Amino acid sequence: NAGVTQTPKFQVLKTGQSMTLQCAQDMNHNSMYWYRQDPGMGLRLIYYSASEGTTDKGEVPNGYNVSRLNKREFSLRLESAAPSQTSVYFCASTTGLNQPQHFGDGTRLSIL
Amino acid sequence: GQQVMQIPQYQHVQEGEDFTTYCNSSTTLSNIQWYKQRPGGHPVFLIQLVKSGEVKKQKRLTFQFGEAKKNSSLHITATQTTDVGTYFCAGPGYKLSFGAGTTVTVRA
Repeated sequence: NAGVTQTPKFQVLKTGQSMTLQCAQDMNHNSMYWYRQDPGMGLRLIYYSASEGTTDKGEVPNGYNVSRLNKREFSLRLESAAPSQTSVYFCASTTGLNQPQHFGDGTRLSIL
Repeated sequence: GQQVMQIPQYQHVQEGEDFTTYCNSSTTLSNIQWYKQRPGGHPVFLIQLVKSGEVKKQKRLTFQFGEAKKNSSLHITATQTTDVGTYFCAGPGYKLSFGAGTTVTVRA
């Protein structure tokens, strides 16, 4: 039972490059989320998908796009990476509103 | 999401001592969740509080929801090295608002 799987685990990009972070869950959860975590700033929501077919902006959506490909998969795309997007990115899923979130192991992304 | 503020940001504890971390909101919360993140790891759900004045215990951890549902606390007794990590509270809603966390280090 894998839970929430994120790929890749580590990535180094150059400024201006594009990249897609992948996330898949096998718990039949309805809602999925993307967060970024920077030192001293906790977890900040980038985008979320309350259910298959819907996506909404979170606190820090600028510079990112998302796709809820199906119920299992929710990807995060950086179209033109910037050094300010250097961070640890976490994907999470939950059965629904106000339910416990299950997190993946994270993607550590560095942009030079 | 409803904003929550956590204090302190850092807590350095002698092994065996107790400590408390606090989570505060300016608005009434329908519920609050607590998570723990070990160094280098991902957040793991600990507990959810829903009722006014609710108190829940998990071994040495005691979680409390304020009477006005605007604040919550996590109290750890007899701190152990296994308690090292960052503890987050999170407010309700799809835009689950996480506090900045309290990072706990333990002196043996």
